[in-house]
Amino acid sequence: QKEVEQDPGPLSVPEGAIVSLNCTYSNSAFQYFMWYRQYSRKGPELLMYTYSSGNKEDGRFTAQVDKSSKYISLFIRDSQPSDSATYLCAMSGTSGSARQLTFGSGTQLTVLP
Amino acid sequence: GAGVSQSPRYKVTKRGQDVALRCDPISGHVSLYWYRQALGQGPEFLTYFNYEAQQDKSGLPNDRFSAERPEGSISTLTIQRTEQRDSAMYRCASSLGGFSGNTIYFGEGSWLTVV
Repeated sequence: QKEVEQDPGPLSVPEGAIVSLNCTYSNSAFQYFMWYRQYSRKGPELLMYTYSSGNKEDGRFTAQVDKSSKYISLFIRDSQPSDSATYLCAMSGTSGSARQLTFGSGTQLTVLP
Repeated sequence: GAGVSQSPRYKVTKRGQDVALRCDPISGHVSLYWYRQALGQGPEFLTYFNYEAQQDKSGLPNDRFSAERPEGSISTLTIQRTEQRDSAMYRCASSLGGFSGNTIYFGEGSWLTVV
């Protein structure tokens, strides 16, 4: 079983829809939670960053972390065709093997105009 | 530089040959990471450096893989006696400091194909 599980999709939604992307994890040492966006043929770029549990909002994007359930989410409101990309969750801790950034496998999202 | 720069972008090599992949991190970034990303998967950690010191190489799959960063800036990932299973995208990343929570920035990667 992987440390970080992410539904690979693909996910296809109409423009303007609310998108929900999720990851579960097994390592309780993870404290830092990130969402990366990766366009085709490009490197991952950081979208959202959260420390420990709670919500964080940035424009149309909201990241949620529930450490008790080992579950994180990214919500995209009013989705746009330019949001079409692969979304990768990533997480890390401060000690041992958890220091290294561990990624999910990515969810491919297409927003249809 | 403005971003993490990697070369070559594409490399095709014959099985058994050695390859060297280069990474030039963002200027001033202390930490440098190497990841490998297979198609349809997230990046998988290989190794990382703080300055010139290799802090963790636990992700290197076997002793054919090695990395160096002799002057604390440019890094080279070397794969000896390449095998077909080594074919993947190799990504370099850098950050201002040691990982715990610092933003890391990825390069566009070096796509290696072993034939």
